[in-house]
Amino acid sequence: GQNIDQPTEMTATEGAIVQINCTYQTSGFNGLFWYQQHAGEAPTFLSYNVLDGLEEKGRFSSFLSRSKGYSYLLLKELQMKDSASYLCNNDMRFGAGTRLTVKP
Amino acid sequence: DAGVIQSPRHEVTEMGQEVTLRCKPISGHDYLFWYRQTMMRGLELLIYFNNNVPIDDSGMPEDRFSAKMPNASFSTLKIQPSEPRDSAVYFCASSLGAGVLEQYFGPGTRLTVT
Repeated sequence: GQNIDQPTEMTATEGAIVQINCTYQTSGFNGLFWYQQHAGEAPTFLSYNVLDGLEEKGRFSSFLSRSKGYSYLLLKELQMKDSASYLCNNDMRFGAGTRLTVKP
Repeated sequence: DAGVIQSPRHEVTEMGQEVTLRCKPISGHDYLFWYRQTMMRGLELLIYFNNNVPIDDSGMPEDRFSAKMPNASFSTLKIQPSEPRDSAVYFCASSLGAGVLEQYFGPGTRLTVT
């Protein structure tokens, strides 16, 4: 089987930094993806890690440790529009998602 | 490109009726995925195709669900007969690779079975 675990909810303040963690267990590994999903909309791709380390894309960065089965998504300079669910994805399976609320 | 297209966007039907959801993937994408999303179970992979061939249907809940991909530009997900517990948002996604490249999602079909 495959378990992908991430926190259910997080709250942060506008302008701050937030880290969303994800742990996974899988027999095979092709890459670790992060998607963003606003309420009532479809998921959209944010980032992808296939090798260990940090991938940076503007305000968003993602980290991967394959040996630990661990990833995190780092969001900097939070904006109100970042309020959404963030989904960790491995081998086409998704975690339950972390609902992030950004407050003024 | 218009992106992944799904129809209908909303479907309300009575228990026992047949429901057919439709998807047109992005041109050139050779992988197509069907997902179901509910509050209780999150985003679940139902089935995926590669070059129109079903590769993994282990997520299909039961025999009432079936999916086809008669050609590279069209897929259907059918529920027959439908039940209230099938109420969910059904997403179709396409990709150039399975598990190694990002997926592009359609807008989803919100299904309500009464």
